[in-house]
Amino acid sequence: DAGVIQSPRHEVTEMGQEVTLRCKPISGHNSLFWYRQTMMRGLELLIYFNNNVPIDDSGMPEDRFSAKMPNASFSTLKIQPSEPRDSAVYFCASSSPGLMNLYEQFFGPGTRLTVL
Amino acid sequence: QKEVEQDPGPLSVPEGAIVSLNCTYSNSAFQYFMWYRQYSRKGPELLMYTYSSGNKEDGRFTAQVDKSSKYISLFIRDSQPSDSATYLCAMQNSSASKIIFGSGTRLSIRP
Repeated sequence: DAGVIQSPRHEVTEMGQEVTLRCKPISGHNSLFWYRQTMMRGLELLIYFNNNVPIDDSGMPEDRFSAKMPNASFSTLKIQPSEPRDSAVYFCASSSPGLMNLYEQFFGPGTRLTVL
Repeated sequence: QKEVEQDPGPLSVPEGAIVSLNCTYSNSAFQYFMWYRQYSRKGPELLMYTYSSGNKEDGRFTAQVDKSSKYISLFIRDSQPSDSATYLCAMQNSSASKIIFGSGTRLSIRP
């Protein structure tokens, strides 16, 4: 398996523009997670899905952020309008229950977002 | 107060030293205690995990869990420059897919 795939790997945009990040989870995994990582705040969970249904979006910073999972093999995270403080590395991860119900998460390579 | 607290470091030690990384937590429902390792410009990867209390050893790495104190540790023996990375503790209860991560400790091993 190719692992979790994210695109684009790097994105530079100007304040006010719409940004869409994409994720393809590992085939067969039924949970998908979006994280944001910065030096100041560490790794923050934004939202996660079980079986394509959003379960917890309490980490989404504000209404400018939205996420969808139209099917088991694709998810998007959209920021509209983007702001400089959104600059961070965004990770997508997927998991499925394993031995003893441990949900090991497999992370993608991340999207490095810079908003000017 | 965060559910999981971790000293962000950075921590710099000479090659061959024993490294101790620690986390505290507040949720007594956590049953799985994990350590993820993240190299620069990569996503985190699971290094090792412990179920409930006790110790677990894997080569140069030892994970310890003290549920009575709500305290977990990762020890690295004979540290190598290739161990330089950010180490994130993570915890999960037995019924949920969500993992709570610590903020990560940046570790640097000097040759």
